[in-house]
Amino acid sequence: AQSVTQLGSHVSVSEGALVLLRCNYSSSVPPYLFWYVQYPNQGLQLLLKYTSAATLVKGINGFEAEFKKSETSFHLTKPSAHMSDAAEYFCAVSPYNQGGKLIFGQGTELSVKP
Amino acid sequence: DGGITQSPKYLFRKEGQNVTLSCEQNLNHDAMYWYRQDPGQGLRLIYYSQIVNDFQKGDIAEGYSVSREKKESFPLTVTSAQKNPTAFYLCATSRQASPTLKNIQYFGAGTRLSVL
Repeated sequence: AQSVTQLGSHVSVSEGALVLLRCNYSSSVPPYLFWYVQYPNQGLQLLLKYTSAATLVKGINGFEAEFKKSETSFHLTKPSAHMSDAAEYFCAVSPYNQGGKLIFGQGTELSVKP
Repeated sequence: DGGITQSPKYLFRKEGQNVTLSCEQNLNHDAMYWYRQDPGQGLRLIYYSQIVNDFQKGDIAEGYSVSREKKESFPLTVTSAQKNPTAFYLCATSRQASPTLKNIQYFGAGTRLSVL
């Protein structure tokens, strides 16, 4: 069964510092990959999605992610953190043969210190 | 979460009671999904529906039931058989139930269920 692992349930950075949230997936065939963000007591909002056309994917709010097949990773980065980036972030995979379902990682809570 | 309405925002369940969570969408999407969110566990799929009058169990369907009588609506009932129902429940929709890159899932704002 496919799975998604997010390293670190909580990450804390200073405002202006680099944000790096890690995601690894298990799959023999590269699946479709997504990053979602969730603000407190709200639903999930899509940040970005992986397309086979480019390994570096740009999303909203200055976030980007790089697909590395050799490392089965899809880490999320942002060069300079802003206070408004504080939220929970989820990596998700959509396997080819499972009717469009999403399999989520455990989530990483990002805190931004002033 | 525009176009997907979950109600109520907060819900309380008494012992032995069934409760129903509402999910309505006006996006004309074929597929709808119910997820349960617990702290530190991410989201887990309860049920999903690819088309009207059809639905499939997800990974944690025990103690839950659904119906899909209309394209716009996919209510979730938490039955008394679900012994640990306290969680945040999220409804999602997608244009089709196929794993293409155009098939993004959109989420509602969620319902928080607690046990009295």
